[in-house]
This record gives sequence, C-alpha cells and structure tokens, in this order.
Amino acid sequence: QQQVKQSPQSLIVQKGGISIINCAYENTAFDYFPWYQQFPGKGPALLIAIRPDVSEKKEGRFTISFNKSAKQFSLHIMDSQPGDSATYFCAAADGSSNTGKLIFGQGTTLQVKP
Amino acid sequence: GAVVSQHPSRVICKSGTSVKIECRSLDFQATTMFWYRQFPKQSLMLMATSNEGSKATYEQGVEKDKFLINHASLTLSTLTVTSAHPEDSSFYICSASWQGTDTQYFGPGTRLTVL
Repeated sequence: QQQVKQSPQSLIVQKGGISIINCAYENTAFDYFPWYQQFPGKGPALLIAIRPDVSEKKEGRFTISFNKSAKQFSLHIMDSQPGDSATYFCAAADGSSNTGKLIFGQGTTLQVKP
Repeated sequence: GAVVSQHPSRVICKSGTSVKIECRSLDFQATTMFWYRQFPKQSLMLMATSNEGSKATYEQGVEKDKFLINHASLTLSTLTVTSAHPEDSSFYICSASWQGTDTQYFGPGTRLTVL
C-alpha cells in the first residue's frame, strides 16, 4: 500500500513533442505529490509538486495532472527539448505521518531526440 | 534558495576503512535530513531519517552500526560508512527539509567506490 507505481520505465520523444509519465498509488493518506528530475551523476532536483485539492498545476512547460478518484497523477512535458533528457521520479508523502518520508516511483528515463 | 551541498562528491577507499560524508543545508535550517542510497538505473532507497539533536531512524534492513548518522546541528548531517566493503559502493544522496514542509531538497550526491 506504500508503493508508488511509475510508468513507462523509459520513453523516447522527438524534440517538440509531449512527454507523459504516469504514476499510481494506493495509500489514500498521501497528500503531497512531487516530481523530481535527475541527471546522471547528480542529485534529484524538485521540478513541480501538487496537492490533492487541485486537479492540475502548471509551471512553464511542466504540468501535473492529478486524478484523486483514480489515485493517479501524471507529468506532462510540453515542447520537449533534448535538455529535458533525464530520469524523472514521481513521489508521494503522507503529511499526517509526520515522518516527512517520500515514497518514490521506480523512475522513467526520458530521451528527447533532436 | 534551498541549497543542499554534499562533501565529498567522490571518494575511493580501501575495503575495511571508514568513510564520512557530509551533508549541509546552505541557506536554511534543516530540521530533518534524509539519507538515500541509489544503485545504477534504480530508484532512491531511503536509508534513514534524522532529526536535529535526535537519534536517526533507520529503515528496515539498514544496519545502524554500519551506517552511522549524526545530525548535530540544523545545517549539518553526516553519514559514516564503517568498515566499508565493495558491496557498499553506491551513490549516496542526502536531502533536507524544514519543519512544517513536505518538500525535500536534495544534495548533489556522493559516489563511493570501495576497492
């Protein structure tokens, strides 16, 4: 129940296309859903995050769509660029647990072809 | 803002020696720091959570006597890998957050190679 399932494992998109990564969870107590971007040999960087009180959040080319009833959320990268090639992790946290722990998805390796 | 640094970025040591990795929050007070381990092409595996001034809480299966964590101040946590062996070779990443927030800010990671 603590798992976050992420798909696809890898994704190849042409420059200018839309990249879509999906995550699903079971624990209805999760109330914070961030996405992280990680380049090889670097630590993850927070990209964008959402809470269940909204269904969508947009920051520049990055959008999170959140479906509370389906317990799913997704990251959309519009106008994908070669510089977006990285590994993306979704995560979830249960604020009421007071542990601050993030449960991470398995990761998606995105390659944007020029 | 919210910058976390780690030192060293890369360390190579001989089997049986101990290695200390530092994690610092540079522009905020980190009430909680987390230590992760990441193997190639895999997700982040939480090793332990440390709150400033308290003993670290280790995840199941993580040996607390092998991975010593100290969080003595609001800006510094250290991970010491004791008696390191080749199987401890990995990418170790810390993150930090402050009280009342869910957001974790990650350091750049430390690549440990044990020969």
